[in-house]
Amino acid sequence: SAVISQKPSRDICQRGTSLTIQCQVDSQVTMMFWYRQQPGQSLTLIATANQGSEATYESGFVIDKFPISRPNLTFSTLTVSNMSPEDSSIYLCSVGTLAGGRSYEQYFGPGTRLTVT
Amino acid sequence: RKEVEQDPGPFNVPEGATVAFNCTYSNSASQSFFWYRQDCRKEPKLLMSVYSSGNEDGRFTAQLNRASQYISLLIRDSKLSDSATYLCVVKGHAGKSTFGDGTTLTVKP
Repeated sequence: SAVISQKPSRDICQRGTSLTIQCQVDSQVTMMFWYRQQPGQSLTLIATANQGSEATYESGFVIDKFPISRPNLTFSTLTVSNMSPEDSSIYLCSVGTLAGGRSYEQYFGPGTRLTVT
Repeated sequence: RKEVEQDPGPFNVPEGATVAFNCTYSNSASQSFFWYRQDCRKEPKLLMSVYSSGNEDGRFTAQLNRASQYISLLIRDSKLSDSATYLCVVKGHAGKSTFGDGTTLTVKP
């Protein structure tokens, strides 16, 4: 499995500001994803971070609000722009790896707990 | 209808009990299936992949029924440390994973 770290682990931000979350993986991975998990809810995929090209966003998420960078196979950033209290959530980086060639498995970073006031 | 549906619970069971969770999915073209465990205020962690032949890992048994489009997780001899939310995950052709809302388990002494 991959070891994933995220920075910051938590932050409290004022509305209207932006926060960039970093995700670092200890090995090169093909697939990297960004998820959001709001209190008491399951995970919602924001986008797939593509190395060397624009991220692929899911319905309801747009690049202007959640710009993503993926400069190489071990690192990605997610920016939450022009924040509002509705953006308060946990943001999770995730990577996909092939497990022994048999199945594709997905692992998660520890998450970034964001509170917008 | 949600793509992945789980009974939210909560399931409250005594130590040593056997408990089973079910999950149904709507996309018959789904390719891979997993169970994740999520502890309070922590990230989801992969518990086990689910194969058509069924698979077992210690006290945990996962099964897949493609015809009926459901996945199950059986936990035998429950421990206090099994208390968590269990997430059913289904992955399709495009590599996108869809998460169920989770089933909460509390194991009591």
